[in-house]
Amino acid sequence: SQQGEEDPQALSIQEGENATMNCSYKTSINNLQWYRQNSGRGLVHLILIRSNEREKHSGRLRVTLDTSKKSSSLLITASRAADTASYFCATKITGGGNKLTFGTGTQLKVEL
Amino acid sequence: GAVVSQHPSRVICKSGTSVKIECRSLDFQATTMFWYRQFPKKSLMLMATSNEGSKATYEQGVEKDKFLINHASLTLSTLTVTSAHPEDSSFYICSASGESGNTIYFGEGSWLTVV
Repeated sequence: SQQGEEDPQALSIQEGENATMNCSYKTSINNLQWYRQNSGRGLVHLILIRSNEREKHSGRLRVTLDTSKKSSSLLITASRAADTASYFCATKITGGGNKLTFGTGTQLKVEL
Repeated sequence: GAVVSQHPSRVICKSGTSVKIECRSLDFQATTMFWYRQFPKKSLMLMATSNEGSKATYEQGVEKDKFLINHASLTLSTLTVTSAHPEDSSFYICSASGESGNTIYFGEGSWLTVV
């Protein structure tokens, strides 16, 4: 299946440190998106990077995309306790219409 | 911004009964809605894609007679879990996109517990 793999599955860091999460996928994509999910809640869209882009920034977020390796990374700088959540990458597959295929997710815990 | 509302947020039902979950787009016309299922600490698994006025497209392995999806209007899609069993207990999330399909908005999800 197209479902992406994310690593690490879980990440625990101290407040102020940077958090890096990686996502790999299997087929050609139109874009890749990162979402955040607080426990038991819906998803919040964080950032979208198109297949012809290599890097994108939004506030404390930095996303990279390497289509040759079929991988992406999400960096959260200067993490805060409020960043504690699960983070998912999701791909819009070329020729797949508007549906998104989600990665396995990284559970991030930021401790004070 | 655009909002997608799901109702109910939590529901408990008895085995063998059916339960309906609604997904509404509040300030835009959602030509396409998606239904996902999520187990605790797991990823979202796409169940089906529903397009207004036509039959839903189910992903492989999803029983369409078990999970009935109706998208009768541009602002409402419903997921009905028929003859529910405890193994159907899960978190169900919908998402919706407008005609351009560029932005996808997610509902807050619905917790289903079958006892």
